[in-house]
Amino acid sequence: EAQVTQNPRYLITVTGKKLTVTCSQNMNHEYMSWYRQDPGLGLRQIYYSMNVEVTDKGDVPEGYKVSRKEKRNFPLILESPSPNQTSLYFCATSSGGSGAEAFFGQGTRLTVV
Amino acid sequence: AQSVTQLDSQVPVFEEAPVELRCNYSSSVSVYLFWYVQYPNQGLQLLLKYLSGSTLVESINGFEAEFNKSQTSFHLRKPSVHISDTAEYFCAVSDRGTGFQKLVFGTGTRLLVSP
Repeated sequence: EAQVTQNPRYLITVTGKKLTVTCSQNMNHEYMSWYRQDPGLGLRQIYYSMNVEVTDKGDVPEGYKVSRKEKRNFPLILESPSPNQTSLYFCATSSGGSGAEAFFGQGTRLTVV
Repeated sequence: AQSVTQLDSQVPVFEEAPVELRCNYSSSVSVYLFWYVQYPNQGLQLLLKYLSGSTLVESINGFEAEFNKSQTSFHLRKPSVHISDTAEYFCAVSDRGTGFQKLVFGTGTRLLVSP
């Protein structure tokens, strides 16, 4: 079954404590992306990756890092989380072809206190 | 750069009534258009998309959307909604050059279907 798996699903942490949200896909997709979803703002892209070792900033990259060492994994790293990073985060993947569908994970709800 | 406007943040409707969720986009280049649906506590999933050809596209569960280039719109419609259609709906656009890398979403419309 095609899956995009994010962990953890829920996380409460304190300001400044480094954390990583993992994303793994089993569809052999080249393209992966991270979004954050906030009320009234929709989904905004944080980072994306077109292939292993190829990443680029999206619209709201400040305070986040990513890495793409393997095709299937695309972790999101918050080196020093702050309360304004409290949000619902989604990982998405795509084959990247013209108009290809994006497949989303279940989401990670992060609260930074 | 592209942008997407969904004017209605919430649309309440009674079961079996028709519904239209509005989406307008802005782009200086040719685009692909998508509607994604998010059921409670789930990720987004593709509902339907317009790539080329017929301007009217349909989903398997009775939704349809029409691409109107002159009005830069891609409104989503369903002639008779069910309780199970309660969800948040996102319109999205990508230009034909960049595709998935630059998929831009609207702010979403929450469809609330009541008995």
